Amino acid sequence: GAVVSQHPSWVICKSGTSVKIECRSLDFQATTMFWYRQFPKQSLMLMATSNEGSKATYEQGVEKDKFLINHASLTLSTLTVTSAHPEDSSFYICSARSGVDTQYFGPGTRLTVL
Amino acid sequence: DQQVKQNSPSLSVQEGRISILNCDYTNSMFDYFLWYKKYPAEGPTFLISISSIKDKNEDGRFTVFLNKSAKHLSLHIVPSQPGDSAVYFCAATSMDSNYQLIWGAGTKLIIKP
Repeated sequence: GAVVSQHPSWVICKSGTSVKIECRSLDFQATTMFWYRQFPKQSLMLMATSNEGSKATYEQGVEKDKFLINHASLTLSTLTVTSAHPEDSSFYICSARSGVDTQYFGPGTRLTVL
Repeated sequence: DQQVKQNSPSLSVQEGRISILNCDYTNSMFDYFLWYKKYPAEGPTFLISISSIKDKNEDGRFTVFLNKSAKHLSLHIVPSQPGDSAVYFCAATSMDSNYQLIWGAGTKLIIKP
């Protein structure tokens, strides 16, 4: 079945640094990828939708200059958390859409900002 | 190698009856399981979870059952309502994987009036 991977699986960084998270669809091409943020035992909050070759569409309240999304190819999207602060510590999950309805989720990246 | 499997891509249930969604897993190290519900164009919504030390967890119309020996969990919704029509994902995680979520492929539940 389709697999979506994320790298790194966890990262610890100092406040003020930038962190890049990669999301890859391993055996299918994903024209659309989604980035979510999850707080412990809560629902996933959609941050942005990224389409290959075009600018990402951000949900209301998500700072596009802070969370930079690049969907450079049909199998790779990256999320860069710029100038990270402790409140950005969270679990970031990507998903990739294959076809009209099918969406596959990545395992998530745990970000801890000290 | 899919560690979490939802073998039914879709399920159709009459309104008012019980919906049973199934999920199988292969990794015996999983110690926490979650169910999410997803409407089109929205992010998944957390529904209910269960720790591996329990075999049942109930929250209103939703009950999750865990059978560790069979590596199987199920979500029961009773009575089923039209608003329950959505895609349901099960996910599993474990402390030794830093609680990364391993997702099933989802089951589309359709509640017929």
